[in-house]
Amino acid sequence: DTAVSQTPKYLVTQMGNDKSIKCEQNLGHDTMYWYKQDSKKFLKIMFSYNNKELIINETVPNRFSPKSPDKAHLNLHINSLELGDSAVYFCASSQPAGINYNEQFFGPGTRLTVL
Amino acid sequence: KQEVTQIPAALSVPEGENLVLNCSFTDSAIYNLQWFRQDPGKGLTSLLLIQSSQREQTSGRLNASLDKSSGRSTLYIAASQPGDSATYLCAARGGSYIPTFGRGTSLIVHP
Repeated sequence: DTAVSQTPKYLVTQMGNDKSIKCEQNLGHDTMYWYKQDSKKFLKIMFSYNNKELIINETVPNRFSPKSPDKAHLNLHINSLELGDSAVYFCASSQPAGINYNEQFFGPGTRLTVL
Repeated sequence: KQEVTQIPAALSVPEGENLVLNCSFTDSAIYNLQWFRQDPGKGLTSLLLIQSSQREQTSGRLNASLDKSSGRSTLYIAASQPGDSATYLCAARGGSYIPTFGRGTSLIVHP
């Protein structure tokens, strides 16, 4: 299936731990994103990468470090997890901005719970 | 800084009604506007994408319009069905190419 996939779907961990979420897209897109959806369902962009280069970094704490080994993958590593990091994290992809048709496609989300 | 507002926040209607969901944005210099639906516990499904040069897009029973000058987009759902029940989100992509989402309209269509 052509899609954006994320692993794991659920992640429960203790405060202070370090965890990673993986994202892969097989749509042939050059641009990938990480979003955070809080408990009130508000969706806010965190990062965007275009062809492995960081292009958007929306004042996210430096405990969050995205890594793009290739343009089909964008992983999110979170150090020293805090209670406030509990949320659903979505990965998305699109063709780059600047190309006329850059519709975003989203993954199923990773529900992170920090205890 | 772009702000996106969606009205109403929640809507409950009987099956068969035609619906209008509203999305307004403060900075009219947008690159495009995209409508999504989100089912509970699921990811976002793209419904329609309107480029800044376009006025509307249609897909089946859905029609989205864009009026950049007034900072508004509407999503029209014809002949609503219970399967349309979901949260509908709009996202405006501004000149910096950063997508800004509204908080969504939670729709319930009851039989």
